[in-house]
This record gives sequence, structure tokens and C-alpha cells, in this order.
Amino acid sequence: AQTVTQSQPEMSVQEAETVTLSCTYDTSESDYYLFWYKQPPSRQMILVIRQEAYKQQNATENRFSVNFQKAAKSFSLKISDSQLGDAAMYFCAYRSAMSGYALNFGKGTSLLVTP
Amino acid sequence: GAVVSQHPSWVICKSGTSVKIECRSLDFQATTMFWYRQFPKQSLMLMATSNEGSKATYEQGVEKDKFLINHASLTLSTLTVTSAHPEDSSFYICSAVSRAKNYGYTFGSGTRLTVV
Repeated sequence: AQTVTQSQPEMSVQEAETVTLSCTYDTSESDYYLFWYKQPPSRQMILVIRQEAYKQQNATENRFSVNFQKAAKSFSLKISDSQLGDAAMYFCAYRSAMSGYALNFGKGTSLLVTP
Repeated sequence: GAVVSQHPSWVICKSGTSVKIECRSLDFQATTMFWYRQFPKQSLMLMATSNEGSKATYEQGVEKDKFLINHASLTLSTLTVTSAHPEDSSFYICSAVSRAKNYGYTFGSGTRLTVV
């Protein structure tokens, strides 16, 4: 079974600064997708960014980017120019065809943004 | 964009009663619906996967007779918690996947269930 590990239960960043959230995963598959989801206090799941394993180029969405290291099975999220609205739980997730397309989530990282 | 309407957003029920949670895809056909459970300050744990017109597939440790899932149409999936007990109190979230939308995920807004 695939496992997703987020080793940082909580992180804090000052407004306008940069923060990196860590995620590692364990799999024997070669074809899979990785995701970062944001869950604000409303608890609505919001897709932040997605990476296909076959793509070498790191995904980027505005202030959000990932560092995807396939050999190391690492998928970290970098948030640049942090804003107060970025405060939320962030979940790393894995999906493959063998998992029936269900998302397998890590335990999450709670991000606090201070003024 | 794609929207999944989940109702109710919160419900309180007495121990021993049943509660039904609905997830309806408003502008697309949900090929597959995933049901997750989330305890406070914890991650989302997959409970079951349902495909339209088929029986749901439950994850290990999830009682299929307690958590009844119905996916009778491509736009509606329901989760019924039968004979609810306080330990069933949790946050339940559905997530729809559509072949037409390149298997992108659309999450419902969740249901907070409290059993007293």
C-alpha cells in the first residue's frame, strides 16, 4: 500500500515570507499523480497544485510551486509571498490507477501565517 | 466549474437512529464517488468507493452494513449511517470524479455529524 508522510504537524511563516512544506511517499508504481490540497477552517478541500509523475518539470501555480524529486520520493510545496489567507491545513495526496483513483492523504500540516 | 452539493452540512441525531448524507453533482456526471471520514485535526480516511450502478467497495475496517452507500445515478450518491453511535461522530466528505472532466476531483463541503 502507498503511504504519504508529512513530517511537519505545524509550520509558521510571516506574511510575505516563503515557507516549504514537506511530503514524502512510498510506492512501487511508476505512474501516479501527486497533489497538494488546502483545507481552510471552512473545511472545503481546495486543490493547490498537481504533479504528474511522468513530468520532470515541477508544477507551478502562481505563488505555489513544488519540488518533485521522483527518485527520492519527495514532493514539497513552496509558498512564496505568504498571505494571511494561506493559513490552513495542507494535505499532500497520492493517486494511482492501482489505488482505484482514490486519493491517499498524508496527515496534514497546519500552516499559521503571522502578520 | 464543477460543483458537488453535499447536504446536510451538519446534523445532530440521537444514538440508534439513522442519518442520510447526500452528495449531488450539479453540472457534471460523477463516474465515481469517494467517501471520506475526517476526525478533528486528522487526515481524510477513505471509507468507500462507489461507481454508478455498482455496489460500493469498502476499505478494510469499514462496516458496510453500518455505512450504506448508494450511487443510483450519475449525479447522486448517498451515505447512510445506520444505528448511529457517538463514536460515529465525525466529519464526512464526498469527492466526485468525472471521466468527462479528466478525472479531476470535486469535493463536497462536508457534513459534520454529531451523535448524542
